[in-house]
Amino acid sequence: DIQMTQSPSTLSASVGDRVTITCRASQSIGTWLAWYQQKPGKAPKLLIYKASDLETGVPSRFSGSGSGTEFTLTISSLQPDDFATYYCQQYDSFSWTFGQGTKVEIK
Amino acid sequence: EVQLVESGGGLEQPGRSLRLSCTGSGFTFGDYAVSWVRQAPGKGLEWLGFIRIKRQGGTTEYAASVKGRFSISRDDSNSIAYLQMNSLKMEDTAVYYCTRDRGRECSQCYWGQGTLVTVSS
Repeated sequence: DIQMTQSPSTLSASVGDRVTITCRASQSIGTWLAWYQQKPGKAPKLLIYKASDLETGVPSRFSGSGSGTEFTLTISSLQPDDFATYYCQQYDSFSWTFGQGTKVEIK
Repeated sequence: EVQLVESGGGLEQPGRSLRLSCTGSGFTFGDYAVSWVRQAPGKGLEWLGFIRIKRQGGTTEYAASVKGRFSISRDDSNSIAYLQMNSLKMEDTAVYYCTRDRGRECSQCYWGQGTLVTVSS
């Protein structure tokens, strides 16, 4: 199976900060990567698909980039609603796999 | 509006079986693939399996961790997908989500609210 490694595991930031989360795949996955946001007690919400396509309704401060084995999720200016856990997921080949998550906390 | 609603969760004993349902609305259910994902308490997301649309054979894929114990099926006439879980273990305790794709470009675009399964004696 393809392993997905996110870094950091936890990130402390302030409102207005630029935040970057990295996701590395153990082998090339092209651009078959999605990013999700999850808040406590809620289902994950899709933010980005195909590595860089912004899901409809998601604020433009979120962006994704990368291809092959290295990917990033960037929040250009962190807002209070953005404190959550973020997951990457590859869907290039079965078994699809998630990263372990990055918790974005208030500094 | 696309909606997915999971049901069938609850408390079950180790070794027993449980079947979860995922009911879709707001779209033609048979036109989309469905996946199941779970999340153990305080843990991350784990992909469990996937069922293709009938036009693509309706075949399934599973994570190694549940292959042979879990199975996915679908009843497009009633807009329902199922996750059959056999020989339950305590480590199967989790919130179970069903998801729907949007073609190849987006594997798990839409998510249900989840249903909690607790495996305990």
